[in-house]
Amino acid sequence: EVQVVESGGGLVQPGGSLRLSCAGSGFIFSDPHMDWVRQAPGKGLEWVARIRNKVNSYKTEYVASVQGRFTISRDDSKNSLYLEMNSLKTDDTAVYYCAVSYTGRPPFNYWGLGTLVSVSS
Amino acid sequence: DIQMTQSPSSLSASVGDTVTITCRASQGISNSLVWFQQKPGKAPNSLIYGASSSQSGVPSKFRDSGSGTDFALTISSLQPEDFGTYYCHQYKSYPFTFGGGTRLEIK
Repeated sequence: EVQVVESGGGLVQPGGSLRLSCAGSGFIFSDPHMDWVRQAPGKGLEWVARIRNKVNSYKTEYVASVQGRFTISRDDSKNSLYLEMNSLKTDDTAVYYCAVSYTGRPPFNYWGLGTLVSVSS
Repeated sequence: DIQMTQSPSSLSASVGDTVTITCRASQGISNSLVWFQQKPGKAPNSLIYGASSSQSGVPSKFRDSGSGTDFALTISSLQPEDFGTYYCHQYKSYPFTFGGGTRLEIK
């Protein structure tokens, strides 16, 4: 069974940093692209970042609002995905979901339960 | 960026009803669209994509239509478990974007 579990969320002050992790199991972690999607409290879904698989040279994509502040990375040997978040703003407050996206299929085939990031002074 | 406009933003319907949610893309996305269902406190779950290609286990009561810029999700024979928020999502180009969501309430 495909599972992804996020961790690393918490309360951080504006301007601070946080690193989210996502541990995968039940699938060959190196196969799919991996995404982060977030949802602010009571709001809709927003795609944040993607890292492609090794076959696609681990190329990354970001939504403009996090470009230059967030860095997505993966360690296939540890079945792990990461999101390094710097210069955090109150608008970054959200539940952050890790999602598995197999190539040749529409994205976000499997989701984790999410981890809450709260940016507040 | 491709903007996805969903309507209505909320909807109340009775058990047994058929409802339709629409989604309009600001530019053509062919059939690169997925519909998600989200229950409160849960992660989204993909329902149907690419014009009637449903995810495994998704009932046939969920039907999508459209191509280009205008899309629709029709849910027939509403049941209490169909409540939740529905999102359309385009994956034609980056940044991936979602519609604002339609909250479906069962009367």
